[in-house]
Amino acid sequence: NAGVMQNPRHLVRRRGQEARLRCSPMKGHSHVYWYRQLPEEGLKFMVYLQKENIIDESGMPKERFSAEFPKEGPSILRIQQVVRGDSAAYFCASSPYTGGSQPQHFGDGTRLSIL
Amino acid sequence: LAKTTQPISMDSYEGQEVNITCSHNNIATNDYITWYQQFPSQGPRFIIQGYKTKVTNEVASLFIPADRKSSTLSLPRVSLSDTAVYYCLVGDRDTDKLIFGTGTRLQVFP
Repeated sequence: NAGVMQNPRHLVRRRGQEARLRCSPMKGHSHVYWYRQLPEEGLKFMVYLQKENIIDESGMPKERFSAEFPKEGPSILRIQQVVRGDSAAYFCASSPYTGGSQPQHFGDGTRLSIL
Repeated sequence: LAKTTQPISMDSYEGQEVNITCSHNNIATNDYITWYQQFPSQGPRFIIQGYKTKVTNEVASLFIPADRKSSTLSLPRVSLSDTAVYYCLVGDRDTDKLIFGTGTRLQVFP
């Protein structure tokens, strides 16, 4: 999973603070996906972005969560005013383009813990 | 959203062949079926991908029937290091969204 870089690997926040998770896609990939995984559960889609555009955010909570993928720099998943229920592993994946035979490649995730 | 279902868990012994099936009865017409392996504290790792019939690579085979409503990941001669959770990923025909399967936890015993 070295191609997709996520940082930090672990993030601890207190309730009410903000959490910023970063994802640098593989070189040449312009499509980024964010997923959330609760302990002992599967991956749930949150948001799909291309450079400077949010394509599908149907899996992301309407409040407190936002995502961006600027022209320059990594994609950012931002969680404001975190609550205990936000504790999870957040994974980012990238692909050169969507659909067809282009699989998504995943990073090793950011484990968010809320105290 | 149509569910993409897998057996919760499977046990096997080293050297055996393991077949894990994913049911995806509402798969999008033009989407591929992708399988991933996930170890604890790591991201999913791509194993194999196919559209129809059979695909084989150096680590696995993927069998897809003509109706594409299911797929079977075949791991030949598993080893202890194959102990992991395996997920299928398919596109939903109605929503056009990619959906992960429920995941199968494979335990390989010596």
